[in-house]
Amino acid sequence: AQKVTQAQTEISVVEKEDVTLDCVYETRDTTYYLFWYKQPPSGELVFLIRRNSFDEQNEISGRYSWNFQKSTSSFNFTITASQVVDSAVYFCALSGPLRQGAQKLVFGQGTRLTINP
Amino acid sequence: DGGITQSPKYLFRKEGQNVTLSCEQNLNHDAMYWYRQDPGQGLRLIYYSQIVNDFQKGDIAEGYSVSREKKESFPLTVTSAQKNPTAFYLCASQNRATNSPLHFGNGTRLTVT
Repeated sequence: AQKVTQAQTEISVVEKEDVTLDCVYETRDTTYYLFWYKQPPSGELVFLIRRNSFDEQNEISGRYSWNFQKSTSSFNFTITASQVVDSAVYFCALSGPLRQGAQKLVFGQGTRLTINP
Repeated sequence: DGGITQSPKYLFRKEGQNVTLSCEQNLNHDAMYWYRQDPGQGLRLIYYSQIVNDFQKGDIAEGYSVSREKKESFPLTVTSAQKNPTAFYLCASQNRATNSPLHFGNGTRLTVT
């Protein structure tokens, strides 16, 4: 069975601090995909990143970076120099192999991030 | 602009009544999904559809029904058999040909009293 654990329920930091959101996953698939989504107060989920299990290179996109480590089954997300607009709920998710079929995501419980001015 | 429209944003119903949540997309995506979000539990898959006139149960399908008569539309009916219907419901779509990530709507918050 697949499982995603986001142990941090809520995080609160002051603007410009760096913050890391943890994500630990469990799966028996050898090929799988990991995702991060952002849910602002408006409610929709905004796609941030997708990584496959064969690509352990860290990814950086502006102030966002992701650290994927298969050895520890983790896919952590770091925001550098946080801003108030980063305040949202962040979800980590996992899916099995991406064939021409349904992309059934298993989500973690989410981490509510609050950036205080 | 292309996107997914869920309506209404807030919905109130009395216990024992069926209610249908709307989801329309103009992204020309084949696949569509319904997820339920409860506080502290993340999102759970209710139903999904890969093509018109076909759909499959997700992890928590009991008490729900769907239809997929048109590519653009995937309505979800919350029946009176659903024990705890109050939740935030999110619809998503996906381009299967490119295996795109799921694209989500703004959600419908259903309150049943």
